[in-house]
This record gives sequence, structure tokens and C-alpha cells, in this order.
Amino acid sequence: AQSVTQLGSHVSVSEGALVLLRCNYSSSVPPYLFWYVQYPNQGLQLLLKYTTGATLVKGINGFEAEFKKSETSFHLTKPSAHMSDAAEYFCAVRFNTGGFKTIFGAGTRLFVKA
Amino acid sequence: NAGVTQTPKFQVLKTGQSMTLQCAQDMNHNSMYWYRQDPGMGLRLIYYSASEGTTDKGEVPNGYNVSRLNKREFSLRLESAAPSQTSVYFCASVGQGDRNQPQHFGDGTRLSIL
Repeated sequence: AQSVTQLGSHVSVSEGALVLLRCNYSSSVPPYLFWYVQYPNQGLQLLLKYTTGATLVKGINGFEAEFKKSETSFHLTKPSAHMSDAAEYFCAVRFNTGGFKTIFGAGTRLFVKA
Repeated sequence: NAGVTQTPKFQVLKTGQSMTLQCAQDMNHNSMYWYRQDPGMGLRLIYYSASEGTTDKGEVPNGYNVSRLNKREFSLRLESAAPSQTSVYFCASVGQGDRNQPQHFGDGTRLSIL
């Protein structure tokens, strides 16, 4: 079955520390992959996407993600956390089937400590 | 450029009442989606429509019906609302030729069922 798993519903880091948010998907064919961020009481904002080509993708606000086909993973990282990064992050997967079916992980809430 | 417009923004219903959530996009997109967002569960796909005249079930379709009225509009209907359907509902769209493009989201409809 097609699925998206985000490990860790909550992640807490200190300001300036590395941020690592994990995402794994289940699919026999490499899909299209996205990371979104949601601030409280707001809609979803695209951070970055992987489609084809370079497996390390850079996004906005200093975030990047690496697609690893062998591990069916697309983990999100940021070298140095900032207080403004506190939000909820969602991994989304668009499968290479008809209909552009796109499903989301359960989300990871990032807390940044001063 | 309005993007994806959802109406209403807020609604309170009593158990057993019916309701239609409206969604319209002005970007000439072919594919449209309905998601619900609940704490700790991310965005779950209810139904999607790859193109005008087609609809498909997503992850959690029970208790909902949809209509792709035309290319612009995709409505979600609750025939007999239940408290378990209390949620924030998001509509999204993406263009046909844009399999690698992110979805555009509406601002959401906050629905409470008493």
C-alpha cells in the first residue's frame, strides 16, 4: 500500500543546532516528494520538492532534503535552527500513478529552545 | 489572482445536519483534492479529482461525497454530519501538466459538529 511515514511527532532542538526531520515512503516506483511547513493557524507553505535529477534539494529558509532511493527516504535538514523555524512540517508524496494522488505524512512539530 | 478559494471559513453544525463545502480555483488546474487535518494525523486525503468528470476515493472517504461541478469547482458534502467529522478541511489543486509541481492550497474551512 502507498504510505508516508514521518518518524517523530515532536522534535525539540536548541537554537543553532542541527534540525533533522525524517520521512519515509512506500512505493515501488520513485514518486515526487515535497516538504511543506505550517505555522499556527496558517495554511501550508512549500519548503522544497524533489522531482528528478540531483538528489540533494535546497529549499527556502536554509532547509534542504536528500532523496535516497535505496532507503525510500526524503529527510529534511537544516544546519542551524532558528527560533522562527518552530512550526509543523509535513512530508508529501505524489505517486506516479494516474490521477496525481498525493498523500501526506502525519507531520512533525519542531520546537526550538533558546 | 485568488488561487484556491474555500467557503465558508468557519461552520458549526449539529449532528445529523448536512453541509456542502465549496472550493473553486482560478488557475485552470485539472486536478483537485479534499483533505482533512486533525491533530497528530497530518492531512488525510478524502477524495481527489484528476480531471473534470472524474473523482476517486482517498484514504478516508467514508461519510463524504464529492462533485466535480466543472473544471473550476470541487465540492465536498457531508450528508449526515457526525462529531468525528469535526476537523479543518483543505482544498488543493495542481495543473495537469505539472506532475512535479506542488499543490496550491486554500485557507481551510474549520468545521465543528456538536
